[in-house]
Amino acid sequence: AQSVTQLDSQVPVFEEAPVELRCNYSSSVSVYLFWYVQYPNQGLQLLLKYLSGSTLVKGINGFEAEFNKSQTSFHLRKPSVHISDTAEYFCAVSPMNTGFQKLVFGTGTRLLVSP
Amino acid sequence: GAGVSQTPSNKVTEKGKYVELRCDPISGHTALYWYRQSLGQGPEFLIYFQGTGAADDSGLPNDRFFAVRPEGSVSTLKIQRTERGDSAVYLCASSLQGSHTGELFFGEGSRLTVL
Repeated sequence: AQSVTQLDSQVPVFEEAPVELRCNYSSSVSVYLFWYVQYPNQGLQLLLKYLSGSTLVKGINGFEAEFNKSQTSFHLRKPSVHISDTAEYFCAVSPMNTGFQKLVFGTGTRLLVSP
Repeated sequence: GAGVSQTPSNKVTEKGKYVELRCDPISGHTALYWYRQSLGQGPEFLIYFQGTGAADDSGLPNDRFFAVRPEGSVSTLKIQRTERGDSAVYLCASSLQGSHTGELFFGEGSRLTVL
């Protein structure tokens, strides 16, 4: 079985400051890793993913994440946030032996960007 | 349609009643997923369809929950004898068959409140 831990339920930050949203996972098998974002009154949207290859992955809206297998982490970063980045961010994993259909999500981190 | 459409967006019902939630996936997407998101939690997998058949229904919590996709497009999630603990946002997602990108496209969800 897999589990995902997002320790920070809420992260307040000022506009143009850098931000890191933490994600750790537990799994007995290799996994694919994802970050999804949910803007107010919208559905979940894929931000970025790690399937294989380079451990540093870049996504939409200037976000990036680094897969660290030894620390079982996939932290999300952005060097300079905007007001429009205010949203809920979910980290998720999917076991490689079952493909992509069974995502296991963390509890989410609410990013609050203020002027 | 342009995206995944879910109806109703909000449903309030009384304990013990029967409820149906509808999902209209992106045109051409043969894979369809249902997830449930309780307050303060991340989405939890319920069921996955490939075409008309349920390929994985291991996330359905009990036999009060049932989902169908008779023509391989629209899907209906059915909940019998609703309980207060069923209150949650029910999310539907779709993806291309055989997709190796790992991206699921989510609807905005149906918020179910059981009084």
